[in-house]
Amino acid sequence: KQEVTQIPAALSVPEGENLVLNCSFTDSAIYNLQWFRQDPGKGLTSLLLIQSSQREQTSGRLNASLDKSSGRSTLYIAASQPGDSATYLCAVPLHGSSNTGKLIFGQGTTLQVKP
Amino acid sequence: GAGVSQSPRYKVAKRGQDVALRCDPISGHVSLFWYQQALGQGPEFLTYFQNEAQLDKSGLPSDRFFAERPEGSVSTLKIQRTQQEDSAVYLCASSLVLGQPQHFGDGTRLSIL
Repeated sequence: KQEVTQIPAALSVPEGENLVLNCSFTDSAIYNLQWFRQDPGKGLTSLLLIQSSQREQTSGRLNASLDKSSGRSTLYIAASQPGDSATYLCAVPLHGSSNTGKLIFGQGTTLQVKP
Repeated sequence: GAGVSQSPRYKVAKRGQDVALRCDPISGHVSLFWYQQALGQGPEFLTYFQNEAQLDKSGLPSDRFFAERPEGSVSTLKIQRTQQEDSAVYLCASSLVLGQPQHFGDGTRLSIL
């Protein structure tokens, strides 16, 4: 059974710091891994999607890496800003197959960036 | 519309009442998903549609939960005889086809008194 874990559950940093959020999964036979952002009272916004054949994806100040063999992904945020404050969730498709589509999520890391 | 739209945004119901939650996916999106998100947790899968066909309902917690998408567009999640443990945010997501990134609505926050 696939389980997704995110550490830490919460993180508070001063503005300008570089930071790393961690995501681990128990079944390495994944098709892809997706990072989402969730603001309070809102739905999820997709940030990055890494295919199983890729090692990393970048979008602006965000960089996500994937190590399937060790069951880990990291989301790196450079030069953090107060606007980055949100909950960050990682998710993988259930059963590791692209044909399922349904996602298993971690519990999320709630990030607070202080001005 | 430009994104996935869910209504109502908030719903308060008394225990035992039936509720219906609506999802308008992005136009043209074939795949539609429902998730349940408890406070402080990640979303959990409920059910999946491809067009009007409900291909997976393995995540529905009980037979009180029912979902439909009769014309392959708008979907409704219905909960009968609501219980307090049904209180959660219900998220709808759609994707162009299966395997493509899922786009989420803002959810319906359901509170059962």
